[in-house]
Amino acid sequence: DQQVKQNSPSLSVQEGRISILNCDYTNSMFDYFLWYKKYPAEGPTFLISISSIKDKNEDGRFTVFLNKSAKHLSLHIVPSQPGDSAVYFCAAADQTGANNLFFGTGTRLTVIP
Amino acid sequence: SAVISQKPSRDICQRGTSLTIQCQVDSQVTMMFWYRQQPGQSLTLIATANQGSEATYESGFVIDKFPISRPNLTFSTLTVSNMSPEDSSIYLCSVEDIAIRVQYFGAGTRLSVL
Repeated sequence: DQQVKQNSPSLSVQEGRISILNCDYTNSMFDYFLWYKKYPAEGPTFLISISSIKDKNEDGRFTVFLNKSAKHLSLHIVPSQPGDSAVYFCAAADQTGANNLFFGTGTRLTVIP
Repeated sequence: SAVISQKPSRDICQRGTSLTIQCQVDSQVTMMFWYRQQPGQSLTLIATANQGSEATYESGFVIDKFPISRPNLTFSTLTVSNMSPEDSSIYLCSVEDIAIRVQYFGAGTRLSVL
């Protein structure tokens, strides 16, 4: 059963506009969430994370929002740039102390110049 | 962040053969992780490898199929044994920065089994 879901397999955005990538989860034991970016032929690269004690974390053009009651998080990229075109994965870790991450299936973002 | 080198980057193998994937980290780490990404799917953890002890496998993965070695604190190997076309995937290793709970990944090994 997929505990982390990214329901949009793809997203296209004009350069300079906002990109919003969404992620839903089902396990209430998740207490830490991460976003990774993946280019072809490369491994996932860490972008930004958020702890469940926060509802927002910002790093430059990237902001992650967490809505615990809805079990939903989103990644906002403002302004979007062509170099942001990649597959974005949402991941979650739980409170049990186990180190494995649970990943979504990814959203392919295309930023159109 | 750690620099992770993974070899080979890709391979095409025949059914019934085995392939060993190597993962080298530029710093000493306690745990290394092996993931699989099947086509169109998310990353799934295969096992966690600690130096000096047997790897811990996730549900659905067994040591006979995916033997792992962890001879020191900077190196690990994953073997995909007796391969079938269903093993065609990207295999990735990762390490964790425990202080910030972030895992860093190698570039992956793209395996195709004919």
